[in-house]
Amino acid sequence: DGGITQSPKYLFRKEGQNVTLSCEQNLNHDAMYWYRQDPGQGLRLIYYSQIVNDFQKGDIAEGYSVSREKKESFPLTVTSAQKNPTAFYLCASSGGAISSDTQYFGPGTRLTVL
Amino acid sequence: DAKTTQPTSMDCAEGRAANLPCNHSTISGNEYVYWYRQIHSQGPQYIIHGLKNNETNEMASLIITEDRKSSTLILPHATLRDTAVYYCIVRVAYDYKLSFGAGTTVTVRA
Repeated sequence: DGGITQSPKYLFRKEGQNVTLSCEQNLNHDAMYWYRQDPGQGLRLIYYSQIVNDFQKGDIAEGYSVSREKKESFPLTVTSAQKNPTAFYLCASSGGAISSDTQYFGPGTRLTVL
Repeated sequence: DAKTTQPTSMDCAEGRAANLPCNHSTISGNEYVYWYRQIHSQGPQYIIHGLKNNETNEMASLIITEDRKSSTLILPHATLRDTAVYYCIVRVAYDYKLSFGAGTTVTVRA
């Protein structure tokens, strides 16, 4: 079954701790994205990667870091520098080709800082 | 990106067609109209997209006016599982960012 998986579904962290959210896709997509969603609001882009070993900052990259060492994986680290990390985090991927740049989303990870 | 305007909420009876309007009066010639939906606490689900022509897939139909300033998403036979927030988005092909607005909260009632 092709798709995007995110783990864990729920994550709790203490203030001052770094935490890494996993995102894996088996769709053979070139591009991957991380978004953040706050209650009652739309999605905001954190980072995106169009190819392995390359990534760009989105609108709200401060306090976050990513890596793209493999085509199928795009982990997001929420660092202690992120002042308000409690949110719903969504990973997406797209094929990048002319007929397939539609973004498909994973199920999300809900992060709560205690 | 062009902005979109959608009604805040709408109700629909189960089994009936749901027609969701979207205004995008400042859309450019190279911008596509995309529809996604988000069921509570889940990731957004892609529904359909189009440029100029009407489109249909297994989930829905997309009707785009000739001047491209508005569109309608049609769910032909709404079920309770179609209750969700529906987002209309316009974007240039290959634009790395999807700009989600507030969307339309659709409630399907038995």
